[in-house]
Amino acid sequence: SAVISQKPSRDICQRGTSLTIQCQVDSQVTMMFWYRQQPGQSLTLIATANQGSEATYESGFVIDKFPISRPNLTFSTLTVSNMSPEDSSIYLCSVVSVNTEAFFGQGTRLTVV
Amino acid sequence: AQSVTQLGSHVSVSEGALVLLRCNYSSSVPPYLFWYVQYPNQGLQLLLKYTTGATLVKGINGFEAEFKKSETSFHLTKPSAHMSDAAEYFCAVSDPGGYQKVTFGTGTKLQVIP
Repeated sequence: SAVISQKPSRDICQRGTSLTIQCQVDSQVTMMFWYRQQPGQSLTLIATANQGSEATYESGFVIDKFPISRPNLTFSTLTVSNMSPEDSSIYLCSVVSVNTEAFFGQGTRLTVV
Repeated sequence: AQSVTQLGSHVSVSEGALVLLRCNYSSSVPPYLFWYVQYPNQGLQLLLKYTTGATLVKGINGFEAEFKKSETSFHLTKPSAHMSDAAEYFCAVSDPGGYQKVTFGTGTKLQVIP
């Protein structure tokens, strides 16, 4: 299993500002995934963060809005830039093990006012 | 691209009744399929998964699901609902092999009526 720590656990931010979310995994992983869960909705994959290369973004998500860093095999950050109230969501970091099980951090609950 | 469709955003059952949550998948290759549960204000927990082999898979808390290729379905069942089963359930799919990204369905909120 993998233990994932996310910081901050929650934040309230002013529109137009940016927030960086950190994700730390207790083991080395090749890929880390960032998801968004909007209120009352399912998880939507934002991007896949690969160590040593650019992140791969899903349709509807762009690097300028959600820049990602992946400096090593246990750590990643997701920045939510130029925030608007529509960005209010839970942001989750995830890794998938060799036996296919996905593990999730507890999430970052973001409210933009 | 992989996708899953969950029929019914809300399902209500009486305590002790059968739980049936429906999931159909779309995939160009034999997929891996999952059910996750999310209790209020908590993170996601894996209930069960199908990768290869036996098509009837058993998970935690008495849940099971059957992979039916001919119907492209992976419905979740439990013979007798318990109050503690009230939660949101997500069906999910990935490409075969480890380390693949997981795509989630829209979720089904299960209500258990005493």
